[in-house]
Amino acid sequence: DAKTTQPPSMDCAEGRAANLPCNHSTISGNEYVYWYRQIHSQGPQYIIHGLKNNETNEMASLIITEDRKSSTLILPHATLRDTAVYYCIVRVRSGNTGKLIFGQGTTLQVKP
Amino acid sequence: DADVTQTPRNRITKTGKRIMLECSQTKGHDRMYWYRQDPGLGLRLIYYSFDVKDINKGEISDGYSVSRQAQAKFSLSLESAIPNQTALYFCATSDANPGTGGRELFFGEGSRLTVL
Repeated sequence: DAKTTQPPSMDCAEGRAANLPCNHSTISGNEYVYWYRQIHSQGPQYIIHGLKNNETNEMASLIITEDRKSSTLILPHATLRDTAVYYCIVRVRSGNTGKLIFGQGTTLQVKP
Repeated sequence: DADVTQTPRNRITKTGKRIMLECSQTKGHDRMYWYRQDPGLGLRLIYYSFDVKDINKGEISDGYSVSRQAQAKFSLSLESAIPNQTALYFCATSDANPGTGGRELFFGEGSRLTVL
């Protein structure tokens, strides 16, 4: 599975958009990009995933570059409850394990 | 009620003791997983099970064993606990491979184990 690179930490003002970048320059054509977050030692929570098209759901938007070497998770109106560690993961579509390599993630601090 | 429930949530034990962490789910998923999380190391897969008759080792299975008692139950055992097994343990479920059609993992709230 391709490795990902994320900044270790970011700050965001409450109510503003939080844009979390992720580099995955070795991503293969059959690998999805997943985002999870973990709030203070709770179980990780799925946010969104995509293959090559941009995606949006009730939690966030995912923008994937045309060459798929990087992506950005967007939380459109960050709240204090969005303070968490955000993990970007790439994962092959087929396969037979749940081996998600979480890496170090980005600690997002949303400030009042 | 949580869809994925882990017990106990916290446990302190001594070296050499046998410990069992239990996981039950109400999501009706076939696939269940055990991960451990250590500071600075992310989550690492210990064991996974695709159905009641299927058990597979993950990245770090040494020192651990599992039992899939039913579709909804997946237990992790430490036969003889040692201090470097002190960690936060997570159970997770999915209804298909997480990379197929975008099916995600659903995690429990974690079991914090301390081995003295």
